[in-house]
Amino acid sequence: QAQLVQSGAEVKKPGASVKVSCRVSGYTSTTYDISWVRQAPGQGLEWMGWLNINTGNTGFAEKFQGRLTMTQNTSTRTVYMDLSSLQSDDTAVYFCAKSGWTDNWFDTWGQGTLVTVSS
Amino acid sequence: SYVLTQPPSVSVAPGQTAKITCGGDNIETKGVHWYQQKPGQAPVVVVYDDVDRPSGIPERFSGSNSGNTATLTIARVEAGDEADYYCQVWDSSGEGVFGGGTKVTVL
Repeated sequence: QAQLVQSGAEVKKPGASVKVSCRVSGYTSTTYDISWVRQAPGQGLEWMGWLNINTGNTGFAEKFQGRLTMTQNTSTRTVYMDLSSLQSDDTAVYFCAKSGWTDNWFDTWGQGTLVTVSS
Repeated sequence: SYVLTQPPSVSVAPGQTAKITCGGDNIETKGVHWYQQKPGQAPVVVVYDDVDRPSGIPERFSGSNSGNTATLTIARVEAGDEADYYCQVWDSSGEGVFGGGTKVTVL
């Protein structure tokens, strides 16, 4: 059974960057993607982008182009989400979620990481 | 970009049926996935590919997709079904899209 374990809460100042990690365990295949989904306080889910574990290729939602980076460390099976130029409206819980290449629903989610942007 | 429209809220009495709609342009051509999210928790998929249920999800949860509307139906609603529900698809450019979410209240 796959598990996704995320890094802890962060507090950042406006203009700074944040890097959140997502470690995958209990799943040996590489035929899957990791997406990042965020949820602002009291708001809905917002998809940010994906990383293909097998190739390292990425795809991002248009609104995050230029300030979102996704990388991975294959030896530790950890995926990283780096969001730059943070503003107060980036305050949210950030989730990583796993989806298959053909079974493209999010079948496993991380526990979420609260990122607070405040001066 | 592709837009999914859900009603903000649905109220239902215990034992009755709740229907949550998800509207999108020609949505029947896309695979729709539904997630349940309870306060303070990560979402959980309850229906995938329009009509399929993951193991462990009660048969009371079912889905359909036709024309411009996908629907999640919860039969014999229980107090534990009270949650936010989100539909999700992948658009033609490979971006993930979520509906705005529907809060289900059990009266």
